Amino acid sequence: GESVGLHLPTLSVQEGDNSIINCAYSNSASDYFIWYKQESGKGPQFIIDIRSNMDKRQGQRVTVLLNKTVKHLSLQIAATQPGDSAVYFCAENEAGNQFYFGTGTSLTVIP
Amino acid sequence: NAGVTQTPKFQVLKTGQSMTLQCAQDMNHEYMSWYRQDPGMGLRLIHYSVGAGITDQGEVPNGYNVSRSTTEDFPLRLLSAAPSQTSVYFCASGDRRYGYTFGSGTRLTVV
Repeated sequence: GESVGLHLPTLSVQEGDNSIINCAYSNSASDYFIWYKQESGKGPQFIIDIRSNMDKRQGQRVTVLLNKTVKHLSLQIAATQPGDSAVYFCAENEAGNQFYFGTGTSLTVIP
Repeated sequence: NAGVTQTPKFQVLKTGQSMTLQCAQDMNHEYMSWYRQDPGMGLRLIHYSVGAGITDQGEVPNGYNVSRSTTEDFPLRLLSAAPSQTSVYFCASGDRRYGYTFGSGTRLTVV
């Protein structure tokens, strides 16, 4: 399988601050990446995706950056809110439909 | 539109028992997959299917069988449950163009 790892297993931020969650991937042929959010007791929920022909993609309060040179992804959450507290996973995909997930980063937002 | 529906939500089995985890989607997705989630190990791909009648193994297929007789349904079978199969199981469907939707999960305990 693929090796997808996250640099930090836990992250605590103050409400209103920006959060940055990092992810390293090992397969240089991966060309599609997704960030998922998983709240306690629920299934993973799609946040944002990016394809390898892009370096940056923005959504509502979230931005994903892709650095193919060092095989690194990051998820930036602006003005972090208590509802953002969850585990965040990055997942990589090469050509087919199979995704391989990292172990996750637990984000805690401190009110 | 129900998305991806998993049943049951919770199940306790004795070692050696068999059971089937159900997964159904109403989005007409060709691709469906099963993952297991264990503490500290993220989501690991068990089996996947790229369409009715087609299935293939993922990272951790041993102890599990699948079939895909219709586009909507992708059941996961445990023929002889073992304590090592205690986990949370997620079904997902989708594709690279439009992303992936996960079910809410089945929490399985094998005693």
